[in-house]
Amino acid sequence: DQQVKQNSPSLSVQEGRISILNCDYTNSMFDYFLWYKKYPAEGPTFLISISSIKDKNEDGRFTVFLNKSAKHLSLHIVPSQPGDSAVYFCAASPGRAGNNRKLIWGLGTSLAVNP
Amino acid sequence: DGGITQSPKYLFRKEGQNVTLSCEQNLNHDAMYWYRQDPGQGLRLIYYSQIVNDFQKGDIAEGYSVSREKKESFPLTVTSAQKNPTAFYLCASNPPGQGVNQPQHFGDGTRLSIL
Repeated sequence: DQQVKQNSPSLSVQEGRISILNCDYTNSMFDYFLWYKKYPAEGPTFLISISSIKDKNEDGRFTVFLNKSAKHLSLHIVPSQPGDSAVYFCAASPGRAGNNRKLIWGLGTSLAVNP
Repeated sequence: DGGITQSPKYLFRKEGQNVTLSCEQNLNHDAMYWYRQDPGQGLRLIYYSQIVNDFQKGDIAEGYSVSREKKESFPLTVTSAQKNPTAFYLCASNPPGQGVNQPQHFGDGTRLSIL
């Protein structure tokens, strides 16, 4: 059973517009959420995270929103650039804050930003 | 530069052969992880290690073995018992949390194929 769901396998947007990637989760014990970006044949690169005590975290062009009541988070990329074209993974972690956290991963959304 | 190095990038295995994938990090991270990614899938945890000389099974440990004799090294052996070893293998690490969430950082992966 998929505890972290990325229901859109792919997304296509025009350069300069907003990209919105969505992620839903089922486990209310999750308290730390991360977004990673992955190019083919490379490891995932950490983008941005959010703790369950917050509902928004921003880093440059990337903003993550968390709606705990809906068990939903989203990643906004504004403005989108062709170099943002990659697969984006949502991941979640349960339990106390700390070091050795098992991450539960979504299946990813492939973003294509068209020039 | 600090980082996680996985080698080799591509590896071929004959039926019935054990192979070992290397993962080295110079980030002074305590925790290290091994994941497997199959096409169109999210990452699945194979093994993880919180400290030297200690490791735990992840969700899909059958057919794999690990060791953690040194802080900077966490090799993964894919044994002949792993019936479907063809996949992309990713190694990750993260520092002590000290009460603060710390994202995992990844190497560039090893693609294992069966001859």
